[in-house]
Amino acid sequence: QSVLTQPPSVSAAPGQKVTISCSGSSSNIGNNYVSWYQHVPGTAPKLLIYENNKRPSGIPDRMSGAKSGTSATLGITGLQTGDEADYYCLAWDNSLSEALFGGGTKLTVL
Amino acid sequence: EVQLLESGGGFVQPGGSLRLSCTASGFTLSSYDMHWVRQAAGKGLEWVAGIGIAGDIYYVDSVKGRFTISRERAKNSLYLQMNSLRVGDTALYYCTRVYSNGFDIWGQGIMVTVS
Repeated sequence: QSVLTQPPSVSAAPGQKVTISCSGSSSNIGNNYVSWYQHVPGTAPKLLIYENNKRPSGIPDRMSGAKSGTSATLGITGLQTGDEADYYCLAWDNSLSEALFGGGTKLTVL
Repeated sequence: EVQLLESGGGFVQPGGSLRLSCTASGFTLSSYDMHWVRQAAGKGLEWVAGIGIAGDIYYVDSVKGRFTISRERAKNSLYLQMNSLRVGDTALYYCTRVYSNGFDIWGQGIMVTVS
């Protein structure tokens, strides 16, 4: 069981919006940056969001990140079938001195 | 082009050793924090180890005392020496670079099978 908690799965129709939550504690999300990754198993993960809400070059503004207290959220609008993947949050944990991934959320675009 | 390329994976018996390498191109590896991340079949991403620019090193608890992360400036490479391997270490291993508190560049992954 992951220290950072994500819903196992979310789904929505093409064109719709989805949010993926990541819940942690003061030792990780509460006092450190959160980043988000899109991953198709067997391929290299892709950085979507860094420092809670910033997008790397090339990531569309359909992707957004937010953080409040000990939780973070990834939002994806205008869903496309190509968005189907697993999504992970990541934060450093000061108590463990480890980087933590959330358990991952499988996005299905119906 | 900025790239990371892993090598050194393979098949090993429990208790054996492997050394993974990750060679960078297009940037100077020693100027960045670098990490190893793995994914076992059917499981999520798991952070394994990291090395900072200043040489600070961190490991996930399950590999402490068995794995060693290091880098070699002359070869622009990152390494993961894995000893006392267990069946549970079987996974696809990725090396990745940190930029602005995110893992921005990833290798294609290298498979390690312990059986």
